[in-house]
Amino acid sequence: ETGVTQTPRHLVMGMTNKKSLKCEQHLGHNAMYWYKQSAKKPLELMFVYSLEERVENNSVPSRFSPECPNSSHLFLHLHTLQPEDSALYLCASSLPGSEQFFGPGTRLTVL
Amino acid sequence: EDKVVQSPLSLVVHEGDTVTLNCSYEVTNFRSLLWYKQEKKAPTFLFMLTSSGIEKKSGRLSSILDKKELFSILNITATQTGDSAVYLCAERNAGGTSYGKLTFGQGTILTVHP
Repeated sequence: ETGVTQTPRHLVMGMTNKKSLKCEQHLGHNAMYWYKQSAKKPLELMFVYSLEERVENNSVPSRFSPECPNSSHLFLHLHTLQPEDSALYLCASSLPGSEQFFGPGTRLTVL
Repeated sequence: EDKVVQSPLSLVVHEGDTVTLNCSYEVTNFRSLLWYKQEKKAPTFLFMLTSSGIEKKSGRLSSILDKKELFSILNITATQTGDSAVYLCAERNAGGTSYGKLTFGQGTILTVHP
């Protein structure tokens, strides 16, 4: 257990569905991150929130919409996804200048 | 754009062997280099290196950074089947932010046979 939890652990959705991924950290960190991990590709940073303000957005398609209501919670809202969006979505958190702690991830399959 | 390259991409050894995993990087504003182990889902933190030539050690694992040649190595001695995992290297770019952006390599898949 790293102190970062993610739900759900597995998600199967159709291209017309709307779903949300949830991340929660119990470490007192003030930065939270969403990463995408596809087969045979490096972990890709999607979004960074620092002190609840989005400070990084790596040109992610608008069908992914993050939300950070407070420093402990992070959401990724999904709508009209494509099959190529199927991947492992990892949440992480950190303090400034320190290592990132990762959650167990959500395995997403888009049919 | 920052780049991190790991080698080899995969490695198969037997228990008791010693392995060396490599990570090279190209960055514009280097802050630190990190190693993670990923077994099933969540990458777990191993080491963070900021200074050249200073070895960090944890049990059978050790790592060192060479900021002049822009690479790092991760050594695992007396490997065990539980060391089987994907080992990820990441470079943190200062980027003018307090949190620092991580750029990951593609990982090395290590398989340790009994």
